[in-house]
Amino acid sequence: ETGVTQTPRHLVMGMTNKKSLKCEQHLGHNAMYWYKQSAKKPLELMFVYNFKEQTENNSVPSRFSPECPNSSHLFLHLHTLQPEDSALYLCASSQESTEFAEAFFGQGTRLTVV
Amino acid sequence: GNSVTQMEGPVTLSEEAFLTINCTYTATGYPSLFWYVQYPGEGLQLLLKATKADDKGSNKGFEATYRKETTSFHLEKGSVQVSDSAVYFCALKTQGGSEKLVFGKGTKLTVNP
Repeated sequence: ETGVTQTPRHLVMGMTNKKSLKCEQHLGHNAMYWYKQSAKKPLELMFVYNFKEQTENNSVPSRFSPECPNSSHLFLHLHTLQPEDSALYLCASSQESTEFAEAFFGQGTRLTVV
Repeated sequence: GNSVTQMEGPVTLSEEAFLTINCTYTATGYPSLFWYVQYPGEGLQLLLKATKADDKGSNKGFEATYRKETTSFHLEKGSVQVSDSAVYFCALKTQGGSEKLVFGKGTKLTVNP
């Protein structure tokens, strides 16, 4: 248990569906991240939120829409996805403005787009 | 820009063998360095870290030393167990500026009984 909880753990969705991934952290951290982990590819940073403000969007397609309503919760809204979007989506948090702050990861949501 | 290069896998060892996974980095400034481990079906967990040159991080029998002169942070374990089978990621983070982790591609380790 790392203090970062992701739901659901598994999700199967059609290309026309709309779904959301949820991440919650109880560590008092002020920064949260979404990563995508595909088979045989490096971890890809998608979005960064610092103090609830989005500070980074690594050229992610608009069919992925993040939301950070407060410093403890982070969502990833999904719509009209493609089969190549199937991957493990990892959420992480850290305490920024703390020197050498490591990130704590959730267990991930395994997404399959059919 | 900042980057991490780690040895290509997969690595397959017998139980009690010696493990080395190489990691080198390129960074501006003086980064902190990390090893994360991902067990099957799980997210990433911090295994160990080092924050300045010549620091040695250690945990669960794993060690890595921050070598500024060779820009390396190789992971070692003297005697691996079947339960060490996982994917290992080297990562760095620099002070100031963009506060994000930069990961290597990961090295899959399989330990056979």
